[in-house]
Amino acid sequence: GAVVSQHPSWVICKSGTSVKIECRSLDFQATTMFWYRQFPKQSLMLMATSNEGSKATYEQGVEKDKFLINHASLTLSTLTVTSAHPEDSSFYICSARDGSHRWGDTQYFGPGTRLTVL
Amino acid sequence: SQQGEEDPQALSIQEGENATMNCSYKTSINNLQWYRQNSGRGLVHLILIRSNEREKHSGRLRVTLDTSKKSSSLLITASRAADTASYFCGGETSGSRLTFGEGTQLTVNP
Repeated sequence: GAVVSQHPSWVICKSGTSVKIECRSLDFQATTMFWYRQFPKQSLMLMATSNEGSKATYEQGVEKDKFLINHASLTLSTLTVTSAHPEDSSFYICSARDGSHRWGDTQYFGPGTRLTVL
Repeated sequence: SQQGEEDPQALSIQEGENATMNCSYKTSINNLQWYRQNSGRGLVHLILIRSNEREKHSGRLRVTLDTSKKSSSLLITASRAADTASYFCGGETSGSRLTFGEGTQLTVNP
């Protein structure tokens, strides 16, 4: 199957700082990527859809000014958590779908990024 | 909001036994995808079943889909200790968005 990577795998930051998380599709082009967050022992919650070359689409209740998404190329989407606070501490996971449909409709997930805000 | 629910929330079985997990969803879907997640890791894709399919097999996995009941089941046969993980179903809706159920924590005891 296709491979999606994330960087960093974990990050610890001070309250008030901004953190950028990268999501890359390694062997396919992804016109659409997705960002999720997951709290301990809970399911994944879709935050936003990242569209290459256009603005992201945010799910209801997700602050777009808080979670900035940039999808500048067909293989890279970034999520920036701005002015992070302890309540933003979570596991952030991205997924991507192959725009060429070589891998069908399957969504492939990255390994996740553990964010801890002190 | 979550697409639906999965049951059981937790399942503990012995190695060699079969494990069955169920998933229900609320809105119409294009397909339903099953994933496994080991603690603190990303999701690994297991199998995708389209809305016009009723059953699909992949190795020790068997997935069924009942669109009239808006439900799906995942059967793992001859389970192994390495199958211990959380299992999630995700229903794909408009814009290829996946909405996940609450997940089932499977523990396979050696």
